[in-house]
Amino acid sequence: EILMTQSPATLSVSPGERATLSCRASQSVSSNLAWYQQKPGQAPRLLIYGASTRATGIPARFSGSGSGTDFTLSISSLQSEDFAVYYCQHYNNWPYTFGQGTKLEIK
Amino acid sequence: EVQLMESGGGVVRPGGSLRLSCAAFGFTFDDYGMSWVRQAPGKGLEWVSGIKWNGGNTAYVDSVKGRFTISRDNAKNSLYLQMNSLRAEDTGLYYCARYPRKGEQRFDYWGQGTLVTVSS
Repeated sequence: EILMTQSPATLSVSPGERATLSCRASQSVSSNLAWYQQKPGQAPRLLIYGASTRATGIPARFSGSGSGTDFTLSISSLQSEDFAVYYCQHYNNWPYTFGQGTKLEIK
Repeated sequence: EVQLMESGGGVVRPGGSLRLSCAAFGFTFDDYGMSWVRQAPGKGLEWVSGIKWNGGNTAYVDSVKGRFTISRDNAKNSLYLQMNSLRAEDTGLYYCARYPRKGEQRFDYWGQGTLVTVSS
């Protein structure tokens, strides 16, 4: 089983600033990596797949990078609706494990 | 419009069983693999099980192997999760999610979840 580790657990950023979230896999997952956003009381929403491809309807301020074991989700110019929990997930092979999440909170 | 609607959750005693269902609408069901993902109260996401588009391949997280069985009925556009020998740690919100049969296997649509509570 591939272990996904996200950092930091909590990130405090002011609106309008940039946020950078990290995800590390315990072994290479190539570019088979997705990022999801989850708000309280809602199902997760796909943001990024293939490590760097934005899903349909996702604003350009969201960007993903990385391959192999180290990945980054960047959110430029944070909007109020961006404060949520973010999860990475690999889909290289079963089980498709998730990271433990990063809570992005308003500073 | 793509929709996934879970049902079948409830309160069950330890050792009991439940069968979850996920009804799919608005897309060609057998163009997609499906998965169950759960979330314990206040915790993160945990992938539980997956099934290929034709039901030919299935997989489970170690903690549910031998207790849970995933299946699908493409004629009924439905996904199922039979859960036996339930434990307190199985408590949580269970989501179904789809991923494309070909290409990047990201979970692009999720249901709203069905709540399972295992308690005596």
